[in-house]
Order: sequence, then C-alpha cells, then structure tokens
Amino acid sequence: QLVLTQSPSASASLGASIKLTCTLSSGRSSYAIAWYQQQPEKGPRYLMKVNSDGSLIKGDGIPDRFSGSSSGAERYLTISSLQSEDEAEYYCQTWDTGHWVFGGGTKLTVL
Amino acid sequence: EIQLLESGGGLVQPGGSLRLSCAASGFSFSNYAMSWVRQAPGKGLEWVSAVVVSGGGTVYADSVQGRFTISRDNSRKMVFLQMNSLRVEDTAVYYCAKRMSTDFFFDYWGPGTVVTVAS
Repeated sequence: QLVLTQSPSASASLGASIKLTCTLSSGRSSYAIAWYQQQPEKGPRYLMKVNSDGSLIKGDGIPDRFSGSSSGAERYLTISSLQSEDEAEYYCQTWDTGHWVFGGGTKLTVL
Repeated sequence: EIQLLESGGGLVQPGGSLRLSCAASGFSFSNYAMSWVRQAPGKGLEWVSAVVVSGGGTVYADSVQGRFTISRDNSRKMVFLQMNSLRVEDTAVYYCAKRMSTDFFFDYWGPGTVVTVAS
C-alpha cells in the first residue's frame, strides 16, 4: 500500500531555514512527489514536483526561497529566509495506479 | 489567469444528495484532466475522484465509490460531482483541482465549497 509519511508539526524562527520531509512507503523510492502549501482558510497551492533524482518542476511564481531535493525514499522541501506568510500546512502527494495519495501534512509554525 | 471556482455546497441530511460544480477559466479546459479533493474539518487532504479530458474515463476513491459520480462539460468548461447517499463523514471542504498535462499532480486549485452532512 502506497503511503506518504510526514511529521505532524515543525517550527523555525523568522529568517531561518527549515527542511520538511516526506517519506515514501517501502518499494516506492523511484516515485516523484509534489509539495503543496495550504495557508489557513485557503485552497492548496502547488509548490513543486520533486523527482527521485532531485530534479524539480516549480509552480508559477514560487519564490526561489522554496527548493526541493531527494534521497532514497525521502523527498524534501526546504524553505529559506522564513517569512511569516510561510506559516501554513504543507502536504506531499503522489500517484499510483489510478489513485492519488496525500501525506498527512506538516503544520509549519514560524516563531 | 487560471481560475477554478466551486459552487453547490451546503447543508444536507444523511442519505441526501448534492451536486457540486466547478467553473474553469484561463486555460484550455478540454485539454486537462480534472479532480475533486476534499478536506474534512481539521483533517488533511483526501483525493475523491478524477475525470479524463474526454469525460469517458473516471476513477474514485474507495470511500465514495458507488455513491459519487464525476462528470464534465467541455463546452461549458465545467466539472461536476454528483454526491448521493451522503454520510456524516462526507462533511468537508471540496476542492476542484486541475491536473498537470504530463504529470499526476495538481497545479491549480479552487477556493473550495463547504459540504455539511448533518441531521
């Protein structure tokens, strides 16, 4: 069964950097994932696709502060120079045989 | 500018029906697959259903299979979700999402419409 695992919460200080992790279930280390940001009371926003080789396809208008990377079954979202508006829920997502799967989300608090 | 706007949400009793609509603009609608994704109160995102560009192919999450029907009207640039036999656990914000042309990811989302199933 395809499962994406994310830590429920993370925090970092204004101006700092943070790296969020999304872990693919066993046997799926070749899968690409997408990262989405959901600010309070808003629809999700596509940030980027992260391939297993670490290559990215970013969404329209996504700042350079947002980047992605990959190692084995883990996919990362790194946000640098944290701003208050980065406080949001971050979800990863992938696809397998006709079904789309989301991770449980990580709530990022900017201190 | 690409926009998606959902409508049709509301309060319905268990066992009832509701039809959601999503109006698309700013892109060549007939060239893109579309999906519905929902979010229960305080919970994460859950994919619900998807429809291919022609409307001839549809898939559903196990949780809604047999109760929900997705469809689209390319001439009107709209996608629909007919929800029957609604349950309390279907209560959620329902989002319309545009799938990327060459990937299984969603590059644009609407603001959502709220569905509440309660007696």
